Amino acid sequence: NAGVTQTPKFQVLKTGQSMTLQCAQDMNHEYMSWYRQDPGMGLRLIHYSVGAGITDQGEVPNGYNVSRSTTEDFPLRLLSAAPSQTSVYFCASSRGGARETQYFGPGTRLLVL
Amino acid sequence: GQQLNQSPQSMFIQEGEDVSMNCTSSSIFNTWLWYKQDPGEGPVLLIALYKAGELTSNGRLTAQFGITRKDSFLNISASIPSDVGIYFCAGQLSGNQFYFGTGTSLTVIP
Repeated sequence: NAGVTQTPKFQVLKTGQSMTLQCAQDMNHEYMSWYRQDPGMGLRLIHYSVGAGITDQGEVPNGYNVSRSTTEDFPLRLLSAAPSQTSVYFCASSRGGARETQYFGPGTRLLVL
Repeated sequence: GQQLNQSPQSMFIQEGEDVSMNCTSSSIFNTWLWYKQDPGEGPVLLIALYKAGELTSNGRLTAQFGITRKDSFLNISASIPSDVGIYFCAGQLSGNQFYFGTGTSLTVIP
């Protein structure tokens, strides 16, 4: 199993550009989440999904869109990038339920100029 | 959002020393988790705690779920150089809602 994979690893954008961060998992996990990690802030939940076709907002959803058309994929879209979105983005997946472990991808480092 | 206060922010210790860090919250959590993050990698789960008062070990790591359900502690005994990294606590309220602490950066001096 590849686990949770994320692409790209690094990205530089100009303010106003759009892009999609890709996340895929091959563990047949129902739950998938996107977090952003900023210095001194820990990880903050952006959006999450409890299954194909179902998404919901997390703690910091503004400026981001998600969709979940398949169990395997959970892309994160930035429609109009802003410098405040410069961060490291992590995707995570789990089988769901109170005692299921979250598995994290390696992260995407995004710089918005 | 939920606020998890993690301390200390950073630690510099000699190899072989024991390490203690803790996490406190204003909210009650159903689950407490401890993760380690190496540079350039995603967090990896170390220990999960599911009920108040629970004490769980994973090798040299021991973690406890506080009685009030608002705090948790992680201890590392006899530290080694590969313990270097950032340690995060996380609390789970329900479902997929996890809240993370701000991290403790650990440096082990050989």
